[in-house]
Amino acid sequence: GQNIDQPTEMTATEGAIVQINCTYQTSGFNGLFWYQQHAGEAPTFLSYNVLDGLEEKGRFSSFLSRSKGYSYLLLKELQMKDSASYLCAVPGYNQGGKLIFGQGTELSVKP
Amino acid sequence: SAVISQKPSRDICQRGTSLTIQCQVDSQVTMMFWYRQQPGQSLTLIATANQGSEATYESGFVIDKFPISRPNLTFSTLTVSNMSPEDSSIYLCSVESPLPRAGYGYTFGSGTRLTVV
Repeated sequence: GQNIDQPTEMTATEGAIVQINCTYQTSGFNGLFWYQQHAGEAPTFLSYNVLDGLEEKGRFSSFLSRSKGYSYLLLKELQMKDSASYLCAVPGYNQGGKLIFGQGTELSVKP
Repeated sequence: SAVISQKPSRDICQRGTSLTIQCQVDSQVTMMFWYRQQPGQSLTLIATANQGSEATYESGFVIDKFPISRPNLTFSTLTVSNMSPEDSSIYLCSVESPLPRAGYGYTFGSGTRLTVV
């Protein structure tokens, strides 16, 4: 089966850097997604990692280590609008394309 | 990436009634996914809807409570039947979709915020 763990909540200061960790256990692996979800809105795609290493996209970067079952999302130069829930998700292996989500990390950015 | 139009965006319903949620996609897709997000929780898959066959339900979800239609490759509906306050959640549809620099990913509808009173 699959299991995904991420911290429930984090707090950071505007302009700072924050790292949101995600560990996963899966019977197979088809990549890992990060989504951002503002309160009352649908999740929006941030990143997809299928190979080990760091993928950088502007202020957001995502890292994957398949051997450790570990990923993180790195947010730089934090802005107040980055306050949101960040969801780590993996496709269910041989399960018809569904996504398995972690419980989400609620990030609060303070001035 | 695919664009999904989901409606209604929100509704307040009386217990014992039913609500049908619609999702329209701007391109043909094989599978559509329906998720539930209870207050303060992450997303849980309800079922996968394929065109031309019955939906596949996840453990804990049954067709009588959440009937799904998939009449063609661009459209699906989810009905929440005989509602109770415990059904108050956000319901989202999702499709697999090409995404820039990612090969493929999953795009979500804007969600339906359901409150049962």
